[in-house]
Amino acid sequence: EAGVVQSPRYKIIEKKQPVAFWCNPISGHNTLYWYRQNLGQGPELLIRYENEEAVDDSQLPKDRFSAERLKGVDSTLKIQPAELGDSAVYLCASSLRYRGNIKSSGNTIYFGEGSWLTVV
Amino acid sequence: QQQVKQSPQSLIVQKGGISIINCAYENTAFDYFPWYQQFPGKGPALLIAIRPDVSEKKEGRFTISFNKSAKQFSLHIMDSQPGDSATYFCAASREDNNDMRFGAGTRLTVKP
Repeated sequence: EAGVVQSPRYKIIEKKQPVAFWCNPISGHNTLYWYRQNLGQGPELLIRYENEEAVDDSQLPKDRFSAERLKGVDSTLKIQPAELGDSAVYLCASSLRYRGNIKSSGNTIYFGEGSWLTVV
Repeated sequence: QQQVKQSPQSLIVQKGGISIINCAYENTAFDYFPWYQQFPGKGPALLIAIRPDVSEKKEGRFTISFNKSAKQFSLHIMDSQPGDSATYFCAASREDNNDMRFGAGTRLTVKP
C-alpha cells in the first residue's frame, strides 16, 4: 500500500515569492492534515480536512496561506507571498476516520516525508 | 498554546540501557495518546499508542506507562539500540475530533 506522497521534497525560494505543496493521501483515507514542523519542534496543525470540508483551519495564517482539497482526495497548500519565517518542513498526513457512515476507531495518523521549504 | 509538554529535550543512553521520555498534558478530554518516531529526513511514524482505560501497554521493547490522575504518560525503551536513535514525539488527541497535539520532541542518541 502506498503511503502519503508529497511533492516537492525540497524547495528554496526567495522571500515574497509564492510556493505550493502537493499531497496525495493514502487511498481511502478521508481525513487529511497539513502540519508545519519547525526545526527541533513537534508538528503543529495548520488545517484538517474531512473529505472536502476544512473542519479546522484555526491555525492557518489566512493572510498568506491557503489550502484546498478538491474532490476530497489530494490537496494543495499554498503560501503567497512567502516570508523568511515560513522556512520549515510542511508535513501532510492522512487518517481513516469514517467507513461509510460509521466512525472508525483509532486515531492513527500517517505522515508523508514532508516538503522542506527554505525561504532566503 | 502548548497542550502537551515533553521532556527531556535530548537524551543520550548507552546501548542496552533504558530510555525514558516523559509527557504531560492539560486537556482532560484527551483520550488517545500515541508516540511517534521520526528519523532524519522522514515523516513521523506511529510507534505505540495507549488509551486511558489502561495504565500500561507494551509492544516488544517499547512500553507506555499512563497516569490518568497526574495527566502524565511516558515511553520506556528497554535494551536501547543504536537503531533507536531518532526523535520521539508524544501526542494527544480526542477520538471524537482527531485533533492531534504534539509535544516538542526528544532527540534520543543511543551510543554503541
